[in-house]
Amino acid sequence: QVQLQESGPGLVKPSETLSLTCTVSGDSISSYYWSWIRQFPGKGLEWIGNIYYTGTTNCNPSLKSRVTISLDTSKNQFSLKLSSVTAADTAVYYCARHRYSGASSYFDYWGQGTLVTVSS
Amino acid sequence: QSALTQPPSASGSPGQSVTISCTGTSSDVGAYNYVSWYQQHPGKAPKLIIYEVTKRPSGVSDRFSGSKSGNTASLTVSGLQAEDEADYYCSSYTGSNNLVIFGGGTKLTVL
Repeated sequence: QVQLQESGPGLVKPSETLSLTCTVSGDSISSYYWSWIRQFPGKGLEWIGNIYYTGTTNCNPSLKSRVTISLDTSKNQFSLKLSSVTAADTAVYYCARHRYSGASSYFDYWGQGTLVTVSS
Repeated sequence: QSALTQPPSASGSPGQSVTISCTGTSSDVGAYNYVSWYQQHPGKAPKLIIYEVTKRPSGVSDRFSGSKSGNTASLTVSGLQAEDEADYYCSSYTGSNNLVIFGGGTKLTVL
């Protein structure tokens, strides 16, 4: 059974960098794509970006200048860094396995989510 | 890239069928059979219930079905049960910047 677990600070100050890690169990990170998705307090979902085990990444253009996604295959983890955060970045952040190819795109396993609040 | 358009709410009585629409454009929903649907109960993570427009993951009830016509995808929930009360989100790939977009979500109420 594939399981994902997000970890990181729940409170980040404005202008600082949000950092989260997703630990994957039950599957090797050296396959598929792995994504970050966030859900705003008003419920809307936003795809942030993904990464393949080769290091190839795709990012939402609206966030691209602030987002860094990386992975650590030795720990079966991947990470998100979002710089220069504002209150608008307050959301529940999810990591997910992304079945992403020239023929498909969907998220079949999700972490439980972690609330990140941006506030001084 | 704009989000996909879903009705904010839908409802039906137990045993009835309800259909939720998801409208995009010729650059996303209309261009690819990459529409997926997610069910989310309060305080829980979204759960995949439909992928590639019509396919159901193993373990998902066959009361859930998906379809697409032009730029609009639809999710039908038949034989409504109390446990189906949840938020439902659609998602599509767009060829623009390899972007994935979501709908705004539909709250399904079982009366």
